[in-house]
Amino acid sequence: EAGVVQSPRYKIIEKKQPVAFWCNPISGHNTLYWYLQNLGQGPELLIRYENEEAVDDSQLPKDRFSAERLKGVDSTLKIQPAELGDSAVYLCASSLDGREGLDEQFFGPGTRLTVL
Amino acid sequence: SQQGEEDPQALSIQEGENATMNCSYKTSINNLQWYRQNSGRGLVHLILIRSNEREKHSGRLRVTLDTSKKSSSLLITASRAADTASYFCATVGKYGNKLVFGAGTILRVKS
Repeated sequence: EAGVVQSPRYKIIEKKQPVAFWCNPISGHNTLYWYLQNLGQGPELLIRYENEEAVDDSQLPKDRFSAERLKGVDSTLKIQPAELGDSAVYLCASSLDGREGLDEQFFGPGTRLTVL
Repeated sequence: SQQGEEDPQALSIQEGENATMNCSYKTSINNLQWYRQNSGRGLVHLILIRSNEREKHSGRLRVTLDTSKKSSSLLITASRAADTASYFCATVGKYGNKLVFGAGTILRVKS
């Protein structure tokens, strides 16, 4: 079974440029998560989707970040414009049903973003 | 903000020795989970322990949970070089469903 797929794996951009990350979750997983991980820290949740509905986006900086999960499968996370402080690893994860917080989350390899 | 704090921040042991990592958290939980992260396999779920459980085993892993002290420990027995990784505890709050990670313990197993 294929795991969570993310692309690109690495991205280097200049500040003020836009950037987009793509995630394909495990087939059949209803819940999709985007996390941000800074160096030496654990992942921090940016947004959680139940199917195509964003049910927790309280930590998403909405002035520059946006996300979508059309048709409840693939998801895209966008930053526009990027700032130096956005340099981090962006992780996507999925789970069968995250509504109760009891299920295992499966993580993708992440996208390492460097903003110059 | 991070809920859990792992201790120690870094740990270096010889192959074959046991490794113990601790996690403390601040608020009441529904469950606590341990994850491992290395460059080869990314972030991988190891074990989940519910608030009404005190101990769980999975292969060479043993997790304990003390809700009165708001702490958990992960024991890896007979460590191998392949266990070298960062280990994170993550909690789900009693009235929520959001997974909140700690900063992790870096484990190095020397062969």
